[in-house]
Amino acid sequence: SQKIEQNSEALNIQEGKTATLTCNYTNYSPAYLQWYRQDPGRGPVFLLLIRENEKEKRKERLKVTFDTTLKQSLFHITASQPADSATYLCALRSNTGKLIFGQGTTLQVKP
Amino acid sequence: NAGVMQNPRHLVRRRGQEARLRCSPMKGHSHVYWYRQLPEEGLKFMVYLQKENIIDESGMPKERFSAEFPKEGPSILRIQQVVRGDSAAYFCASSPDEDSYNEQFFGPGTRLTVL
Repeated sequence: SQKIEQNSEALNIQEGKTATLTCNYTNYSPAYLQWYRQDPGRGPVFLLLIRENEKEKRKERLKVTFDTTLKQSLFHITASQPADSATYLCALRSNTGKLIFGQGTTLQVKP
Repeated sequence: NAGVMQNPRHLVRRRGQEARLRCSPMKGHSHVYWYRQLPEEGLKFMVYLQKENIIDESGMPKERFSAEFPKEGPSILRIQQVVRGDSAAYFCASSPDEDSYNEQFFGPGTRLTVL
């Protein structure tokens, strides 16, 4: 079955450093992959989408890469700030439209 | 332009009661998705609906759960005879007609507690 895995351990980094989160998937060949941010007690908020023919996508301090050979996406936040502390979810879209989410990685940026 | 609205935000039910969760998609969106998030777990797909049609219900438990999205009014997720294991956050998301390959817009969720 389709499976998406994110590092379940929380990531703790110092303010100003680059945070790198990993998303791996199996048994699937997605046309694109999405990243969402979720704060405690709130719904996920869309951040970035990257298509299979795009190796890299940027938006302000965010960068996403997509390696369809390794079946992996990396999500980077440069010059991290305490306000970036949240849980980050990667998601693949199935053929029927539903999103299949990873379990999320919690990022804690310390001042 | 209001976002996806869900109500109630918090719902407490005793075992055996019924829970009704409502979702109003963003204006102009006719695709609605329901997801469930159990404590310390990720978001799991439940059901995908368009107006008056169920497109994909592969994530819905076989019993006690049902969903609808009528021509008029909000989408409803209904859980009959709730059990403690139904306690979770239920999120609704919507996407626009023109391009369902875009992002999904999530509501704030309904947190269901079963006593």
